[in-house]
Amino acid sequence: QQQVKQSPQSLIVQKGGISIINCAYENTAFDYFPWYQQFPGKGPALLIAIRPDVSEKKEGRFTISFNKSAKQFSLHIMDSQPGDSATYFCAASIEEAASGGSYIPTFGRGTSLIVHP
Amino acid sequence: ETGVTQSPTHLIKTRGQQVTLRCSSQSGHNTVSWYQQALGQGPQFIFQYYREEENGRGNFPPRFSGLQFPNYSSELNVNALELDDSALYLCASSSDRGDNIQYFGAGTRLSVL
Repeated sequence: QQQVKQSPQSLIVQKGGISIINCAYENTAFDYFPWYQQFPGKGPALLIAIRPDVSEKKEGRFTISFNKSAKQFSLHIMDSQPGDSATYFCAASIEEAASGGSYIPTFGRGTSLIVHP
Repeated sequence: ETGVTQSPTHLIKTRGQQVTLRCSSQSGHNTVSWYQQALGQGPQFIFQYYREEENGRGNFPPRFSGLQFPNYSSELNVNALELDDSALYLCASSSDRGDNIQYFGAGTRLSVL
């Protein structure tokens, strides 16, 4: 059972356009929602994250919008650049005081973004 | 660079063989997590180690096993390899400061023939 559903699978945007990637989750216990960026030949890297006590978080050209009632969240990339071309993963996890204090994210299937110059 | 190194970068094995993948954590990190990333999919959690003890396990069979050493480096062992084990294996290190940040290595690409 896929707990985090991500769409679209692939996305092509012109330089300067807005890229939008959507995710939906099922487990209402999830309370931490990160986005990861992965370039070919590299591991995923944390891009931006949000907790459900806010509806939006912005860092530079990247914005997460969060809708708790709909159990959905999305990544918006403003003024998309060719250097943004990568695979983007949404994820969800439960923050808890487990031993080690480390979290275990559940990932979506990823969105391959291509930004044409 | 994340400071997390994995070896080897690529590996070819045949069905039924055993494989050991290695991960060197970022300095100061005492937690390591292993993920399997099939082609076109997101990373799937295999297990996590914290201070040499298993701290959580995903839906993977027992033939997937791991170790974490006193210097917090780690190994992933897979026995009786199957064709479906072909994937990119990622390790991620993190601290216990509660900052929810995992630093991923570039992965080991395993091909099972």
